[in-house]
Amino acid sequence: GQQLNQSPQSMFIQEGEDVSMNCTSSSIFNTWLWYKQDPGEGPVLLIALYKAGELTSNGRLTAQFGITRKDSFLNISASIPSDVGIYFCAGFHGSSNTGKLIFGQGTTLQVKP
Amino acid sequence: DAGITQSPRHKVTETGTPVTLRCHQTENHRYMYWYRQDPGHGLRLIHYSYGVKDTDKGEVSDGYSVSRSKTEDFLLTLESATSSQTSVYFCAISKDRHQPQHFGDGTRLSIL
Repeated sequence: GQQLNQSPQSMFIQEGEDVSMNCTSSSIFNTWLWYKQDPGEGPVLLIALYKAGELTSNGRLTAQFGITRKDSFLNISASIPSDVGIYFCAGFHGSSNTGKLIFGQGTTLQVKP
Repeated sequence: DAGITQSPRHKVTETGTPVTLRCHQTENHRYMYWYRQDPGHGLRLIHYSYGVKDTDKGEVSDGYSVSRSKTEDFLLTLESATSSQTSVYFCAISKDRHQPQHFGDGTRLSIL
């Protein structure tokens, strides 16, 4: 099935550094979602984006809905050890009537204290 | 946290046995979903429900069946479990079709 291209696949950074990750598609999406998954738990919704160009923040997290509607970005500022986990992008395809979410493969983030 | 409870959280069983996983929600959301998560494949939709007794297939539905007799409960059944169905299974809910989905904490299923 269709998937989103999420990059990078993994990141190993120093505590205090800023982090950027992105998600791209060859087709248009109507909604972009960003989730975080901790080990042994389910994905937790971080940010939801509904309009092209929209920029939304949640604490140290900021996400943007790309103007072309084919990409989205997530930035984490001043990373801390509890930011460790897998970050997933997801979206609703522009032509979908079923409401089926399309997921990226995830970005694994490791933070060195 | 969204009120989603999955049971059991862990299960080990043998090939050929039937297995039923339960998802219970307290949010009164219309849509419920079952996903499986495997290394290298990410999250894949098995089945979903858009109301009581209304269900549809996802991308990996072979070998699975579902039932929803009440708004709050969505059951996933493996009629005859196979080793390829060893996975982590997540339930998710959403208010409506194009609304964000909220996930439970998963069931880790091992089929020997």
